[in-house]
Amino acid sequence: DAKTTQPNSMESNEEEPVHLPCNHSTISGTDYIHWYRQLPSQGPEYVIHGLTSNVNNRMASLAIAEDRKSSTLILHRATLRDAAVYYCILDQAGTALIFGKGTTLSVSS
Amino acid sequence: DTGVSQDPRHKITKRGQNVTFRCDPISEHNRLYWYRQTLGQGPEFLTYFQNEAQLEKSRLLSDRFSAERPKGSFSTLEIQRTEQGDSAMYLCASSLARTGGYGYTFGSGTRLTVV
Repeated sequence: DAKTTQPNSMESNEEEPVHLPCNHSTISGTDYIHWYRQLPSQGPEYVIHGLTSNVNNRMASLAIAEDRKSSTLILHRATLRDAAVYYCILDQAGTALIFGKGTTLSVSS
Repeated sequence: DTGVSQDPRHKITKRGQNVTFRCDPISEHNRLYWYRQTLGQGPEFLTYFQNEAQLEKSRLLSDRFSAERPKGSFSTLEIQRTEQGDSAMYLCASSLARTGGYGYTFGSGTRLTVV
């Protein structure tokens, strides 16, 4: 079972920041938080992951709450190409990633 | 490296036929995963390998499904006696063994239609 909770959908305007929330209240100390996104008719694409500290890469930023029970994926300036399903997943040692339904992000021009 | 390759991209088969899909992972990745995805759902885990060893199978995986990774490189997923409910996108992914939470790289998938 997916161990994260995400809103079903979110909307954004182009060139505005987007904050995608994820709750993972049952996270354990060694679980990494992963984010993937999936564009229509494509396989999922790795976005970012983290353990405790906030993380930045060229695609996005990941803000992790101090108690690690929630996290937020931040897209700094949304573009039309960012419209996708975003999955927040706990990477637990010894098991494969288990995907939930994710958040469908719509971006308007 | 061109990423994870899956073949074929599309497959249409008649109910009751057997089908086999191939996945070529990123060469230095020692883990390989198979997922299935139906419309409107997230990818559903099927099985994964570390090198040639199959380490985990989903309890939802029917006996009609079998996967192999004979030399720890490419993998095949076979579905015997296909049913209409097997129609889905079959995704393959690869990664390094988990040390520091490495990300998965997914292929573009094989879309199976059972008629």
